[in-house]
Amino acid sequence: LAKTTQPISMDSYEGQEVNITCSHNNIATNDYITWYQQFPSQGPRFIIQGYKTKVTNEVASLFIPADRKSSTLSLPRVSLSDTAVYYCLVYNYGQNFVFGPGTRLSVLP
Amino acid sequence: DTGVSQDPRHKITKRGQNVTFRCDPISEHNRLYWYRQTLGQGPEFLTYFQNEAQLEKSRLLSDRFSAERPKGSFSTLEIQRTEQGDSAMYLCASSLGLAGARKDYEQYFGPGTRLTVT
Repeated sequence: LAKTTQPISMDSYEGQEVNITCSHNNIATNDYITWYQQFPSQGPRFIIQGYKTKVTNEVASLFIPADRKSSTLSLPRVSLSDTAVYYCLVYNYGQNFVFGPGTRLSVLP
Repeated sequence: DTGVSQDPRHKITKRGQNVTFRCDPISEHNRLYWYRQTLGQGPEFLTYFQNEAQLEKSRLLSDRFSAERPKGSFSTLEIQRTEQGDSAMYLCASSLGLAGARKDYEQYFGPGTRLTVT
């Protein structure tokens, strides 16, 4: 399973765009990149998944460069309610998730 | 509510006692997972089921832990002879793990059971 590295914490202000970058240097050909969000006292929640280039949904965008050794989760115009821990996972079908400590995002007013 | 449910939400027990937690997954999901999470850490995989079959168990999991999913629906996680180090949040998740659908990357987590061992 590919190891991921992401910042331990980030601060932002309401209304700003937040970009969280994850490094996964030993990602395998069949691996996908998945991001989860976790609020205090709740289980993680799926945000977005991608393989290459750009993926966008109603919540976030995921940018993956051609070499796939990193990925960036982009949250547009964050609000206070986006304060949470964000996990980057590299995953292949049938494998089990390996969560790191994640990135603790604090959105300030 | 058709999400993943867990019972109880909180459990306080004395060291040496046995505890059992229950997880009810989303009804059409065939895969069910158990994780353990301690403060400041991401969830740690414990075990998972596809239907009623337990397909993988973490090597880090003590023999005091056992899980079942007898009819491929709900699951139970039992911890025997609890220790203070077992204090954690125990999370259950489910997903649709069909080969053709490739949807098992999207796991739906329950609210967790917080265990405190005194």
